[in-house]
Amino acid sequence: DAGVTQSPTHLIKTRGQQVTLRCSPKSGHDTVSWYQQALGQGPQFIFQYYEEEERQRGNFPDRFSGHQFPNYSSELNVNALLLGDSALYLCASSFRGLGDGETQYFGPGTRLLVL
Amino acid sequence: AQSVSQHNHHVILSEAASLELGCNYSYGGTVNLFWYVQYPGQHLQLLLKYFSGDPLVKGIKGFEAEFIKSKFSFNLRKPSVQWSDTAEYFCAVNAKNTGFQKLVFGTGTRLLVSP
Repeated sequence: DAGVTQSPTHLIKTRGQQVTLRCSPKSGHDTVSWYQQALGQGPQFIFQYYEEEERQRGNFPDRFSGHQFPNYSSELNVNALLLGDSALYLCASSFRGLGDGETQYFGPGTRLLVL
Repeated sequence: AQSVSQHNHHVILSEAASLELGCNYSYGGTVNLFWYVQYPGQHLQLLLKYFSGDPLVKGIKGFEAEFIKSKFSFNLRKPSVQWSDTAEYFCAVNAKNTGFQKLVFGTGTRLLVSP
């Protein structure tokens, strides 16, 4: 049973560029959440996707956008990259997007460095 | 808004010492509570969780945590740590009955266990 997978593992971009990160949820899961983990900090919630719609959003600008596909996989897009966007981006999946009693399982993350 | 405080940022212990990591949250409603662990080079893994019922919950690898509602606390404990427990530990909270699974994390506690 595959867990949450993310690609790529590492990425280097320059300021102003755009980046797309990908996530495949754990088998049987229908909800994907994205988190940003800056160095020395805990993960911060970016947004959550369920039934191909953004269900909830954290305190992140519109430069951060996402998408969920019919197979429940998801993409995170960041436009106009800033140096401060350098972080580990984590994807988490869970089942039953309408519930709050389920556990989120995390992927290994994509480490983004913006120069 | 919810917030989570982890007061110990770095903890150094010798093997066989007892461990207690503090976690306090700020939220007026009912919550689900989690401890996640991040071993060096690995992804976030669930250590234990509290949804309801017995406030003393047991997790993997001999860890346990106690939910004290009156103190808004969910401290993590282990009676005897091992070198392999060296990792970063994150406390997280999710507001109950919102229909969403947005996790709010603390800043983490980095534990170093010396052999």
